[in-house]
Amino acid sequence: DGGITQSPKYLFRKEGQNVTLSCEQNLNHDAMYWYRQDPGQGLRLIYYSQIVNDFQKGDIAEGYSVSREKKESFPLTVTSAQKNPTAFYLCASTSRGNGPARYEQYFGPGTRLTVT
Amino acid sequence: AQKVTQAQTEISVVEKEDVTLDCVYETRDTTYYLFWYKQPPSGELVFLIRRNSFDEQNEISGRYSWNFQKSTSSFNFTITASQVVDSAVYFCALIMMDSSYKLIFGSGTRLLVRP
Repeated sequence: DGGITQSPKYLFRKEGQNVTLSCEQNLNHDAMYWYRQDPGQGLRLIYYSQIVNDFQKGDIAEGYSVSREKKESFPLTVTSAQKNPTAFYLCASTSRGNGPARYEQYFGPGTRLTVT
Repeated sequence: AQKVTQAQTEISVVEKEDVTLDCVYETRDTTYYLFWYKQPPSGELVFLIRRNSFDEQNEISGRYSWNFQKSTSSFNFTITASQVVDSAVYFCALIMMDSSYKLIFGSGTRLLVRP
């Protein structure tokens, strides 16, 4: 089955440690996105990548880093510089083919990160 | 500015009632797309519908229906004969028609359907 996988589902870290969240897709999608969700709020864009080896900052990129070495993978690193890292992180992808379906983003199950 | 407003933070209904979730948007784009997503307790966002700015026809899918009104910049979502399984957080979103194609989300409406 095609889809997006994120692992792990729950992640716990001590303050001051970097942590990397995994996102893998087998949908052959070109573009991938990382969003952050805080309680009672909508999602906010952290980083996005339209093609391999290229990525752009979103609205709240400070304290985060990404890489896009393979089409299928878009890992997100939460660094110690991120002031409030505890949140729910969602990865999404979309194709860049023709037609309006290219605007539909498909989401993974998310990773809930808790930093204490 | 691009913005999506979901004024209803939480709605509680009894099973079989109809319920409407409101969504109001702001955009500078003349061509744009709007979306509704459902987030069940598991956390994953489930795509429900995409609507483009040229198509103002209402859409119905089973118990779900959507009313898009460009004149009032609204894209409301109605669930008919609600069920307990409809309990979730529902997000309305607008796509940025620039190179990012990122989604601008509303803050969501939590729907609780009581048996």
